Amino acid sequence: KAGVTQTPRYLIKTRGQQVTLSCSPISGHRSVSWYQQTPGQGLQFLFEYFSETQRNKGNFPGRFSGRQFSNSRSEMNVSTLELGDSALYLCASNREGLSNEQFFGPGTRLTVL
Amino acid sequence: QKEVEQDPGPLSVPEGAIVSLNCTYSNSAFQYFMWYRQYSRKGPELLMYTYSSGNKEDGRFTAQVDKSSKYISLFIRDSQPSDSATYLCASSKGNNNDMRFGAGTRLTVKP
Repeated sequence: KAGVTQTPRYLIKTRGQQVTLSCSPISGHRSVSWYQQTPGQGLQFLFEYFSETQRNKGNFPGRFSGRQFSNSRSEMNVSTLELGDSALYLCASNREGLSNEQFFGPGTRLTVL
Repeated sequence: QKEVEQDPGPLSVPEGAIVSLNCTYSNSAFQYFMWYRQYSRKGPELLMYTYSSGNKEDGRFTAQVDKSSKYISLFIRDSQPSDSATYLCASSKGNNNDMRFGAGTRLTVKP
C-alpha cells in the first residue's frame, strides 16, 4: 500500500506571496490532518478534513486554509507569507475507527525569505 | 503551559542500553497516546499506539500509560545505533484527530 505523499518537498517563497501544498493520503483513508513543525514550537495542529469538510481547526490565523477533494486529496494554502511561516508542513493520513492512528507524509519544507 | 510536556534532551546512551523516554500531560480528556519516531529530514513514523491506561509491547519497544498520574513512557530495550532519532509523544481526545505533541526527545545511541 502506498504511503502518504506530499508535494512539493521543498519550497522557497518571499514575504507576501502565497503558497499551496498538496497531500495525497493512503488509499481508503478519508481523513487528513495538517501540522506545522518548527524548532521553537514543535508540532502544532493546523486543521483536519474528513469527507471534504473541515472537522477540526487549530489556533492559526485565517491566512492558513485548506480543502479536501472528493478523492480525499487535500491542499493547504498560506496567504501573505511571513518569515515565521518557515517550517516543515506535515500531512497525516488518518485511519478512522477504533485505532484512530495517524500516518505522516515526508512533509514540505517551506522557506520564506 | 503545553498540554503535553516532554524533556527535549538530548539523551545519549551506549548501544545495548535500556532507554526510558517520558512525557506528562495535563488534559484528563486525552484517551489516545502515541509515540512517534522522527529521523532527520523525514516525517514522524508511528511506533506505538495505546488507548487508555496500560502497557503495550512490540518487539524491543514497550509503551506505558498511567492515566492516574498523567504519565506516558516509552522503553527501548537493547538499543541500537539505528534507534538514534527524535522521539515524540502525542495524545488526543478521540476521533477528532487533533493530536497534541510533546517537544520531542533527541536520542543518540553510540556504538
